[in-house]
Amino acid sequence: EAQVTQNPRYLITVTGKKLTVTCSQNMNHEYMSWYRQDPGLGLRQIYYSMNVEVTDKGDVPEGYKVSRKEKRNFPLILESPSPNQTSLYFCASSPAVGLTDTQYFGPGTRLTVL
Amino acid sequence: QKEVEQDPGPLSVPEGAIVSLNCTYSNSAFQYFMWYRQYSRKGPELLMYTYSSGNKEDGRFTAQVDKSSKYISLFIRDSQPSDSATYLCAMRETSGSRLTFGEGTQLTVNP
Repeated sequence: EAQVTQNPRYLITVTGKKLTVTCSQNMNHEYMSWYRQDPGLGLRQIYYSMNVEVTDKGDVPEGYKVSRKEKRNFPLILESPSPNQTSLYFCASSPAVGLTDTQYFGPGTRLTVL
Repeated sequence: QKEVEQDPGPLSVPEGAIVSLNCTYSNSAFQYFMWYRQYSRKGPELLMYTYSSGNKEDGRFTAQVDKSSKYISLFIRDSQPSDSATYLCAMRETSGSRLTFGEGTQLTVNP
């Protein structure tokens, strides 16, 4: 089944404890992206990647890191999480940069930082 | 001011009603317009896609774009309880990959 998977789905952590949210897609998509979704603010892009080893900042990159060493994986790293990073996170992929209108989203990761 | 404004609702309608969901935007460079549907505890999924102005119909769903007014709409005819979800509008400039999303409108269709 073609899909985007994220792990973990739910995570409660404490301020300053490094964490990684994994994202994997099995559709051989070039473009991958991370979003956070907050009430009143909607979906905002954190980082995106146009291909392996190519990443760039989105609208709200502060406090996050990403890497794209393989085409299928695009992990989101929070080196020192803070309570304002409590949010619902989505990973998404699309076939190519020119086809980002059709994005396939993962099921989401609900993160709480205490 | 947000680039894309969308009434968050919630919107509650009886089964069979015609639903109208709307977004306004301020960036005149937006050329590609999308509607995503997000069920509870799921990621968004693409529902409709239109380029520039005009209408596009797909079954019970019609997407409408009015670039002169910077206004897009999604109409749902004969709404069903299975249409209960949050609907997010999204848009993109011709150049660039970034999608700008609206806040989403939460819709409930009551049997």
